[in-house]
Amino acid sequence: NAGVTQTPKFQVLKTGQSMTLQCAQDMNHEYMSWYRQDPGMGLRLIHYSVGAGITDQGEVPNGYNVSRSTTEDFPLRLLSAAPSQTSVYFCASSYDGGRGEQYFGPGTRLTVT
Amino acid sequence: KNEVEQSPQNLTAQEGEFITINCSYSVGISALHWLQQHPGGGIVSLFMLSSGKKKHGRLIATINIQEKHSSLHITASHPRDSAVYICAVRLTGGGNKLTFGTGTQLKVEL
Repeated sequence: NAGVTQTPKFQVLKTGQSMTLQCAQDMNHEYMSWYRQDPGMGLRLIHYSVGAGITDQGEVPNGYNVSRSTTEDFPLRLLSAAPSQTSVYFCASSYDGGRGEQYFGPGTRLTVT
Repeated sequence: KNEVEQSPQNLTAQEGEFITINCSYSVGISALHWLQQHPGGGIVSLFMLSSGKKKHGRLIATINIQEKHSSLHITASHPRDSAVYICAVRLTGGGNKLTFGTGTQLKVEL
């Protein structure tokens, strides 16, 4: 199993550009989530999904959009990048949400100039 | 105040030392996770606890639900244990979401 994969590993955007961070898992997990990690702060939840076709907002959803058309894929879209979105982004999946073992992708380091 | 507090924020130890990292939370929880983030950035799950104690190799995790406190112990520490250790909790009534501490940076020196 590949586990949780994320692409790209690094990305530089200009303010106002849009892009999609890809996340895929091959463990048939229903629960997937996106986090951002900033210096001095814990991981913060952006959006999450409890199954195909079902998404919901987390703690810091503004400026981001998600969809879940399949169990395997959970892309994160930045609609109009801003410098405040410079961060490291992690995708995670689990069998049973917060009650199950968490599997994280390798992360995407995004810089917005 | 963060709902999940970890201490210490930074810890330097000598190889072979016994290490303890603490996690306190202020609300009711149904599960607590310990995660490890290596210098390369990858995050792996170490333990998931709802009560008692778990052991895996040189790592031991305990939780005291009444005192709202968990500890992660590393016995016979080694430089390869150098990483950030993160505590995360599933809040009671918080759905399936996790709330994370800010992490403890551990460095083990020869």
